[in-house]
Amino acid sequence: DIQMTQSPASLSASLEEIVTITCQASQDIGNWLSWYQQKPGKSPQLLIYGATSLADGVPSRFSGSRSGTQYSLKISRLQVEDIGIYYCLQAYSAPWTFGGGTKLELK
Amino acid sequence: EVQLVESGGGLVQPGRSMKLSCAASGFTFNNYDMAWVCQAPKKGLEWVATISYDGSSTYYRDSVKGRFTISRDNAKSTLYLQMDSLRSEDTATYYCARHSDTFDYWGQGVMVTVSS
Repeated sequence: DIQMTQSPASLSASLEEIVTITCQASQDIGNWLSWYQQKPGKSPQLLIYGATSLADGVPSRFSGSRSGTQYSLKISRLQVEDIGIYYCLQAYSAPWTFGGGTKLELK
Repeated sequence: EVQLVESGGGLVQPGRSMKLSCAASGFTFNNYDMAWVCQAPKKGLEWVATISYDGSSTYYRDSVKGRFTISRDNAKSTLYLQMDSLRSEDTATYYCARHSDTFDYWGQGVMVTVSS
């Protein structure tokens, strides 16, 4: 199985700050990496797919990048509505696996 | 607008069965693979099962193989998850999701509690 190691597990940041979350895949998954945002009591919402493509309706302050088997989600200027838990997903092969999540809070 | 609406959750005793449904609308259901993803209370996301667009192929995580069955009725645009021999560790919110190149649309989720 492909393991997705996500870091940090939690993060406290100020409004307008740049935030970066990373996921390390245990093997090559190409660009088969997605990012999700989950707010309390809600279902996950797709932010990024194909490692770098922005999903429909997602603000441009969100971006994704890849360096080898390490993937990053960047929020360029943190807004209050960005608070929640973020997950990465390897969409390369079954069993499809998620990272452990990053809880993003306001400082 | 894509909509996925799950139903069928609730409280069930260990060892018993439960069947979840997911009604899809807003897209051509029989063109897409579909999946179930679960989330135990205060925990992360786990993929459970996927079924191909025509129902010919199914995939399961190891912990549910032989106990859960994913199926679909394309005429009714509905996805199902039959859960047998339920265990306390199956307690979770279950989401249905459209499985294209990723899980791109999700339902609101349905809670399943396995407890005596």
